[in-house]
Formats: sequence, C-alpha cells, structure tokens
Amino acid sequence: GAGVSQSPSNKVTEKGKDVELRCDPISGHTALYWYRQSLGQGLEFLIYFQGNSAPDKSGLPSDRFSAERTGGSVSTLTIQRTQQEDSAVYLCASTPASAALNYGYTFGSGTRLTVV
Amino acid sequence: AQSVTQLGSHVSVSEGALVLLRCNYSSSVPPYLFWYVQYPNQGLQLLLKYTSAATLVKGINGFEAEFKKSETSFHLTKPSAHMSDAAEYFCAVSYQTGANNLFFGTGTRLTVIP
Repeated sequence: GAGVSQSPSNKVTEKGKDVELRCDPISGHTALYWYRQSLGQGLEFLIYFQGNSAPDKSGLPSDRFSAERTGGSVSTLTIQRTQQEDSAVYLCASTPASAALNYGYTFGSGTRLTVV
Repeated sequence: AQSVTQLGSHVSVSEGALVLLRCNYSSSVPPYLFWYVQYPNQGLQLLLKYTSAATLVKGINGFEAEFKKSETSFHLTKPSAHMSDAAEYFCAVSYQTGANNLFFGTGTRLTVIP
C-alpha cells in the first residue's frame, strides 16, 4: 500500500481480555518496528522485525506481550490479559532496509488502546 | 547510555515568531539524527534527518536543524511560526553500529499563539 496501515484505529477493551493489533507495512519494506506511546511520554521501543524474524525483542515489557510477522508483511502485536497500564497508542513503522541509517521510519497512524 | 534529551516538554510561540526546539544527544559514535512531527491523532512524519553530510539540514515546512558536534546538539528551528506548526515534535537518534531502532526523545509540544 501507499503507507503503513494499522487497525483498529481505536480499541477499548476490558481488563483481563486479550487484544490483537495489526500492522500492514509499506510493500517491500523488510524492516518493521512496534513502538508504544504513553500519555506524556516519548516513544518506547517494543520489538523489531527483519523479514519474519525478530532479532530484537528487548522492548517487550512483559511476557503478556508478543508479536509475529508472516510473509514478510503483516505483523500482529498481541497483548494477553490486558492491564490498565497497557493503555497507550501503539505505533508501527517500517523501513526498506534493516537499519534506519539513511532512512527515517514511515509510521502508521497508530492504534489507541484503552483498557477499562 | 545512548539517548536523546529534549529540553522543554511544552513550548509556546506567537505566530510569526522564531521556533526553537532543543535536542541534545549522547553518543559514543557518530549519530544519525532525525526530527519527526506528530499532528493530533496522526502518526509520526519525518521532518528532516542528518546523516553525516551537511551539518545544516533543511526539512519540510520551512524547518531546519543544525548538527553541532561540539555541543552534541541538533536543535530544530523555523524563522516564522505558523498556526499549522502546532504539533508534537520528536527528536530521534540512530547509530552506525549495532542498533536497528531509533531512540526517541520524550517530545516537545509546540503551541502557536495567534
């Protein structure tokens, strides 16, 4: 597609439920990143994919968080047993190469997750 | 630690006034530096980037930033603020070795007063 697409744009869920957030990167972009943006804070790195593999999962805050990428394209971020502190905007970005050295990232519009 | 610091979480300027948003980085290797803008309810959009070419970088919407190694700074400026510049601005850094992700500052919210 023309840009990075994320769905849903908004998600309200009850505490304890599982949620899935989807990211569809720009076609041909091999690298995909997930960030979390909490109110009043900067962007927190979650996980990075190169193709279908995730060389860097260091940012996942707990084992309730997981992500996968299939076909070198769409990625899904899953949060199990959601907690109120999971409420944030989850941003996805992609780049055409494995490093952001000569590229910025292209970001999606994000999924605003609210856990009630 | 490798990071960026944005001084001032909120900056207000009058329409037509100079915009100056500050960013300092800490790095043991030459950095690649970026400024992103986030308009309400939108994703981040790349404003400009420094990748070790010219130290003065011009971006979109009349913004520019100057890389100053001696000051470890990459401040964002615009000579004359416009109402449409009201947004949140993020400085970010990436490195030549190892890291595959961008490290972001905590952001500066710019308000433009009519």
